[in-house]
Amino acid sequence: ILNVEQSPQSLHVQEGDSTNFTCSFPSSNFYALHWYRWETAKSPEALFVMTLNGDEKKKGRISATLNTKEGYSYLYIKGSQPEDSATYLCAFIRGYQKVTFGTGTKLQVIP
Amino acid sequence: DTAVSQTPKYLVTQMGNDKSIKCEQNLGHDTMYWYKQDSKKFLKIMFSYNNKELIINETVPNRFSPKSPDKAHLNLHINSLELGDSAVYFCASSQRAGLATYNEQFFGPGTRLTVL
Repeated sequence: ILNVEQSPQSLHVQEGDSTNFTCSFPSSNFYALHWYRWETAKSPEALFVMTLNGDEKKKGRISATLNTKEGYSYLYIKGSQPEDSATYLCAFIRGYQKVTFGTGTKLQVIP
Repeated sequence: DTAVSQTPKYLVTQMGNDKSIKCEQNLGHDTMYWYKQDSKKFLKIMFSYNNKELIINETVPNRFSPKSPDKAHLNLHINSLELGDSAVYFCASSQRAGLATYNEQFFGPGTRLTVL
């Protein structure tokens, strides 16, 4: 069983606060790590595709870092807004077409 | 234009029936997937198809069978439905990138299957 774990499981922050969460994955057989944003009643949407150790990606107020040697990735949200409320999923790609999704972090931004 | 579409959106059926869920993508992608969202809201991969070839088959009961008439479609057929099959099923697609397929996936809206 492949463990791809995310923490915390859920998070409540005030509007304007910055926050971050973690995705932990095995450090062997790494191909890529994806981050997805999943709003209630919608489908997951890709945020980042990360492939190299030390990768840093940014999209607006959201950014992510990757450490493949120790097996973790951080997702940061600066100045959280209510529209950031969603579940954030990471997906570990360990080989040809082998995808394991993490457990998700549910973020609620309180106005 | 919907990139990845699934039909039906909701499916309510009796135990023991056979049903299909259809998935179509108009992105020109060559890899498609089926996921099951379990009771804890986790997404678990069931199948993926690349160029009509099944390249992943996780520990899924053989009552489930993917059928791909062409690279834009990957349908999920389920025989002898059981109560435990009730879940939301998501289809997704991605574009292969060389020898390693790690491009992001585009998801359909999901099909909520309820088995009574």
